[in-house]
Amino acid sequence: GAGVSQSPSNKVTEKGKDVELRCDPISGHTALYWYRQSLGQGLEFLIYFQGNSAPDKSGLPSDRFSAERTGGSVSTLTIQRTQQEDSAVYLCASSPSRVAFFGQGTRLTVV
Amino acid sequence: KQEVTQIPAALSVPEGENLVLNCSFTDSAIYNLQWFRQDPGKGLTSLLLIQSSQREQTSGRLNASLDKSSGRSTLYIAASQPGDSATYLCAVEGFQKLVFGTGTRLLVSP
Repeated sequence: GAGVSQSPSNKVTEKGKDVELRCDPISGHTALYWYRQSLGQGLEFLIYFQGNSAPDKSGLPSDRFSAERTGGSVSTLTIQRTQQEDSAVYLCASSPSRVAFFGQGTRLTVV
Repeated sequence: KQEVTQIPAALSVPEGENLVLNCSFTDSAIYNLQWFRQDPGKGLTSLLLIQSSQREQTSGRLNASLDKSSGRSTLYIAASQPGDSATYLCAVEGFQKLVFGTGTRLLVSP
C-alpha cells in the first residue's frame, strides 16, 4: 500500500485479555516506531526497530507489553492481561531515514 | 532525558490571522526537528522537517525555524484558514527515537 497500515482500527477488549496490534510499514522503510497516545496526552514512545539492530524497548511501560518485527517488515505489538489504563490510541510509524510516516492508529478500549 | 514543551497548549484565532506556535527542547544534541499535524481521530501528517544544520524550512503558508543552540523552534502559519484547525506537534529526533511535545490545539474560526 501507499502508506503505513494499522489493524484493527478499533479494538474493544475485556480487562485481562491479551490483544495484538498489527502494523504494516511502507515497503523499504528500515525504521519502525510504536507510540501510545492517551486521551488528551502527547505521544509516548514505546519501542523502536531499526533494520537488524536490537530494538530500543526503553519505552515499554511494563513486561505485559512486547513487540516484534518479522522479516524487517510487519510488526506486532502485544499487550498481555490488558488493564483499563492501557486504553489509548496506538500509533505506528515507519521511516526510510529521518521523516516519519504515521499510520491511522488503533484505538484500544479496555472495559 | 530529552523533554519537549509546546506553548501555547491551545490557541483560537479568527480566519486570516498570522500565528506562531512555539516548541522548546532541553537537549540540543538532535539530528532534526519535525512539525506534524494531527486531526481528531486520525494519525499524524508530517508538515516540515528541519535538519540540525538548517535554520528554517518553508512549505506554502508554513515556515518553521530552528535555533538548536537555544533549544527552540517556531512554526509560523500565514493567513490562517479554518482548514488549519488541528493539533500541531513538534518532535525532535535524538539518538534513535523521536520525542514529541504535547501539542498545540489550534482553532481557526471563519
